[in-house]
Amino acid sequence: AQTVTQSQPEMSVQEAETVTLSCTYDTSENNYYLFWYKQPPSRQMILVIRQEAYKQQNATENRFSVNFQKAAKSFSLKISDSQLGDTAMYFCASLIYNQGGKLIFGQGTELSVKP
Amino acid sequence: GAVVSQHPSWVICKSGTSVKIECRSLDFQATTMFWYRQFPKQSLMLMATSNEGSKATYEQGVEKDKFLINHASLTLSTLTVTSAHPEDSSFYICSALLAPSTDTQYFGPGTRLTVL
Repeated sequence: AQTVTQSQPEMSVQEAETVTLSCTYDTSENNYYLFWYKQPPSRQMILVIRQEAYKQQNATENRFSVNFQKAAKSFSLKISDSQLGDTAMYFCASLIYNQGGKLIFGQGTELSVKP
Repeated sequence: GAVVSQHPSWVICKSGTSVKIECRSLDFQATTMFWYRQFPKQSLMLMATSNEGSKATYEQGVEKDKFLINHASLTLSTLTVTSAHPEDSSFYICSALLAPSTDTQYFGPGTRLTVL
């Protein structure tokens, strides 16, 4: 079975500092994708970053980057220069290629950025 | 691009009535859409996968006769909560796969359902 685990229910960080959110996953498949989604208080789900498992290079999107450790099945999200607008729930998710596009979500981490 | 809308954004209904929620992909065609349910401070729980022109596939434990899903066109899927009860009160979110991609879902803004 495919599972995604986020072991940090809540985290906080000072504005302008860096924070890392943890995520581990379990799958027996070789072809899969990993995602981080952000859900701010508006509850709109927003794609933050996407990683193909076959790519060794870590994905980056401006202030957001991942540390993808395939052997350890770890997929952490680093947010640099944290901004107040980064305050949100963050969900890690996995998707197995060619299995209908279903996402498996982790439990979520509630991030608070403090001024 | 890749915008998904939901209507209504919130709805209050009486116990025993039915409520329909619409999910539309505004600027792309979506052969596959998904319906999720989310309780406060919890993760998204997949309810069903909706494929255009065919019957929806429901996740284990989701009552297909209670949560009716119709995907009649490439841009519209609907979720009808039949004979709603207070325990059905929740936040319902839809998403759509951007064809021909099969790996990125775009989410609607959600619908808050309150059953009195």
